[in-house]
Amino acid sequence: KNQVEQSPQSLIILEGKNCTLQCNYTVSPFSNLRWYKQDTGRGPVSLTIMTFSENTKSNGRYTATLDADTKQSSLHITASQLSDSASYICVVSARGSGDKLTFGTGTRLAVRP
Amino acid sequence: DAGVIQSPRHEVTEMGQEVTLRCKPISGHNSLFWYRQTMMRGLELLIYFNNNVPIDDSGMPEDRFSAKMPNASFSTLKIQPSEPRDSAVYFCASRWGQENTGELFFGEGSRLTVL
Repeated sequence: KNQVEQSPQSLIILEGKNCTLQCNYTVSPFSNLRWYKQDTGRGPVSLTIMTFSENTKSNGRYTATLDADTKQSSLHITASQLSDSASYICVVSARGSGDKLTFGTGTRLAVRP
Repeated sequence: DAGVIQSPRHEVTEMGQEVTLRCKPISGHNSLFWYRQTMMRGLELLIYFNNNVPIDDSGMPEDRFSAKMPNASFSTLKIQPSEPRDSAVYFCASRWGQENTGELFFGEGSRLTVL
C-alpha cells in the first residue's frame, strides 16, 4: 500500500532558526515528490516538485532534498520567519497511477518571535 | 488570474439537508480535482475530471456524494443527504498539462459543518 509518513507531527522553533522536516514514503514505482505549504484556513500552495533524477531543489529559503534509494525527502527552512508558520505536506505520486497522489498528514510548524 | 475559486467558503447545515459546493478552475486548465481534508485523515482525493470527463471517482465515499463538470469552467460537488461525518474542508484543485507531473493549484476550500 502506498504511504507517506511525515515527522515530526508538530514543531515549534524561534524566529531566525533553521529547521528540517522529514518525509518517508513507500510509493512505488516513484514518479515525483512535492512539498506543499498550507496556511491556516487556506488551500495548499506548491513549494517544490522533484522527479527521480533530482536530489536537491530550492525555492528561496526552502530547500528540498530527495533520496530515491532510501525513499526519503526532507524540507529545510533557513532563517525562519513568522510567516513560515503553517502545515507542510509531503505528496508523492506513482507512475501509472493516473492523477492519484498520496498525501502525508503534514507537519505543523509554529515559528515564535 | 484569480486562481481556483470555490464557494461557499463556509457552510453550516443540518443533517439530511442537501449541500452543493462550487468550483471555478483556473482558465485553460484541463484537469479538476475534488479533495476532502480532515484532521484525522488529511487530504483525500474524492474525484477528478480530465477535459470535463470524470476519470476516477473511487474516492467518493458513497452514493450520497456526486460531482459534475458541465463545462471547462465550472464544477459542483453535491452531498445529499448530508451527515455529521461529512463535516470537513473540501478543496477543489486544477492543473494543466501532463498526467501526474503538472503543478496542482488549490482553491481556498469550503468548510462544511453538518449538525
